[in-house]
Amino acid sequence: EDQVTQSPEALRLQEGESSSLNCSYTVSGLRGLFWYRQDPGKGPEFLFTLYSAGEEKEKERLKATLTKKESFLHITAPKPEDSATYLCAVVLYGGSQGNLIFGKGTKLSVKP
Amino acid sequence: ETGVTQTPRHLVMGMTNKKSLKCEQHLGHNAMYWYKQSAKKPLELMFVYSLEERVENNSVPSRFSPECPNSSHLFLHLHTLQPEDSALYLCASSQDNSGRELFFGEGSRLTVL
Repeated sequence: EDQVTQSPEALRLQEGESSSLNCSYTVSGLRGLFWYRQDPGKGPEFLFTLYSAGEEKEKERLKATLTKKESFLHITAPKPEDSATYLCAVVLYGGSQGNLIFGKGTKLSVKP
Repeated sequence: ETGVTQTPRHLVMGMTNKKSLKCEQHLGHNAMYWYKQSAKKPLELMFVYSLEERVENNSVPSRFSPECPNSSHLFLHLHTLQPEDSALYLCASSQDNSGRELFFGEGSRLTVL
């Protein structure tokens, strides 16, 4: 069964304390992997798309990387405004009509 | 105008009510989606429309009825819901339904009493 697992479920950091979130996947035929940020009571906001192992994308304090089995979202010197739930999703070759398979998310809290 | 707009943002309804959720996208996309988000669960795809034609229905109960009158508008009609249907309902759009990134609305928080 195709599956996306995110870890940890929750992460508490001090401001400036760098860390990484993990998204591991066991799927047949990865077409693409997406990272989203979701603030409480709001819809997910698109961050990155990664298509092939070795690819990296950066945006401000965030950097997303992809291997054949997992993706990392590295957060460098986080600030309190980075607090949110980060969602990972994959889309498969031959998958049903654009269906993204989502993980449960990692809730990040950054304390000043 | 933000990219994807959902109304209402909050809805409380009884099990015998009929209500509708509305979604409008201003991105010129050809595909629109309804997702359900419940606590401690991954987002669940409910319906996919491509060029106003339904292409996916993930075994959703018939008390949820989608409608897509054109490529910019999507509705979710609700009828005789159950308390377990209480959740955040998210609308999304994408350029097409080939697996591109989704752009979400703010969601409609539904509470069924």
